[in-house]
Amino acid sequence: EDKVVQSPLSLVVHEGDTVTLNCSYEVTNFRSLLWYKQEKKAPTFLFMLTSSGIEKKSGRLSSILDKKELFSILNITATQTGDSAIYLCAVEPGNTGKLIFGQGTTLQVKP
Amino acid sequence: NAGVTQTPKFRVLKTGQSMTLLCAQDMNHEYMYWYRQDPGMGLRLIHYSVGEGTTAKGEVPDGYNVSRLKKQNFLLGLESAAPSQTSVYFCASNSPQGYTGELFFGEGSRLTVL
Repeated sequence: EDKVVQSPLSLVVHEGDTVTLNCSYEVTNFRSLLWYKQEKKAPTFLFMLTSSGIEKKSGRLSSILDKKELFSILNITATQTGDSAIYLCAVEPGNTGKLIFGQGTTLQVKP
Repeated sequence: NAGVTQTPKFRVLKTGQSMTLLCAQDMNHEYMYWYRQDPGMGLRLIHYSVGEGTTAKGEVPDGYNVSRLKKQNFLLGLESAAPSQTSVYFCASNSPQGYTGELFFGEGSRLTVL
């Protein structure tokens, strides 16, 4: 059974801290791993990582994929209160078109 | 610039009632999905469709049915609602062409079953 597990489930930090969010997975015929950020409404796309793109960076956010150990991490440096959100990891098994999400990590950044 | 539109946005049902959630997308996407979101459980896939006339079960399909008669619409039905189906439901779509992994989500539909 395909499975995605995120840790920690929740995290409270102060502005300026660096955080690392974890995502481990077990899927059949891995194709891609994606990170999303969810504030008040629908999730918004952050990164996609694949066998040919195992590292991504955008501003203060960066992510790596370890296909051997079956996990990914999302790093956020110099956190701001606007980074407070639920961060979701999802994996696509094979070329199925379906995405399986993890439970999410709720990040709260205090001023 | 509608994107993905879900209706209704809010609904309260009594146990045993039926209802249909409608998802419409105007981006000509082949793939469409229905997820539910409950506190602490992320998004769980109910059903999905990879093309007009096709549907497939996701992780939590029991108690739901779907139809994709037209490419732009994906309907989620609850035949006999139960309190366990109280949740926020998200529809999403994407396309395998130029695949970026990005799902385009609707704004969500909050359903309460009493």
